[in-house]
Amino acid sequence: KQEVTQIPAALSVPEGENLVLNCSFTDSAIYNLQWFRQDPGKGLTSLLLIQSSQREQTSGRLNASLDKSSGRSTLYIAASQPGDSATYLCAVKAGTASKLTFGTGTRLQVTL
Amino acid sequence: SAVISQKPSRDICQRGTSLTIQCQVDSQVTMMFWYRQQPGQSLTLIATANQGSEATYESGFVIDKFPISRPNLTFSTLTVSNMSPEDSSIYLCSVEGGRRGVETQYFGPGTRLLVL
Repeated sequence: KQEVTQIPAALSVPEGENLVLNCSFTDSAIYNLQWFRQDPGKGLTSLLLIQSSQREQTSGRLNASLDKSSGRSTLYIAASQPGDSATYLCAVKAGTASKLTFGTGTRLQVTL
Repeated sequence: SAVISQKPSRDICQRGTSLTIQCQVDSQVTMMFWYRQQPGQSLTLIATANQGSEATYESGFVIDKFPISRPNLTFSTLTVSNMSPEDSSIYLCSVEGGRRGVETQYFGPGTRLLVL
């Protein structure tokens, strides 16, 4: 059974800092991995999708990497802003018709 | 991308009653997914709903408690039946979009349910 863990559970950084969020999964046989953002009381917004054959994906100040063999992914946020404050979730998918297994989330607070 | 709306956005209900949550998508999709997010927890898949067939439920979830309808390719409902305070959660509808190999999951804004 796939288990997804995210460390740290919560993180507070001053504005402008670069930061890394970690995601680990127990079964390396994944189809893809997706990073989401969730604002308080809201749904999820997809940030980046990495296919199993890829090593990383970039979108603006966000960069996500994937190391399948070690069961790890990282989300790098450059030059953090207060608007980045949210909960970040990673989720893995085992196959094309498989469900997403979500991690426990990292709650990020970027302070002025 | 897909735009998903849910009704109601939130509700407060008495134990023993039932609530039906609606999910509307702006495009036709084969599968729709219903997730639950309990307070302070991550998302857990309740069931997958295909149009024209019975929903497929995950372990720990049963049709009597969470009946699902999928009358067409853009709409689904989830009913939370005989509610108890343990059902207080955010319920999210989701669909998959994008070409094969880069399927992205899209989520509705969620329905916040509080059961007293």
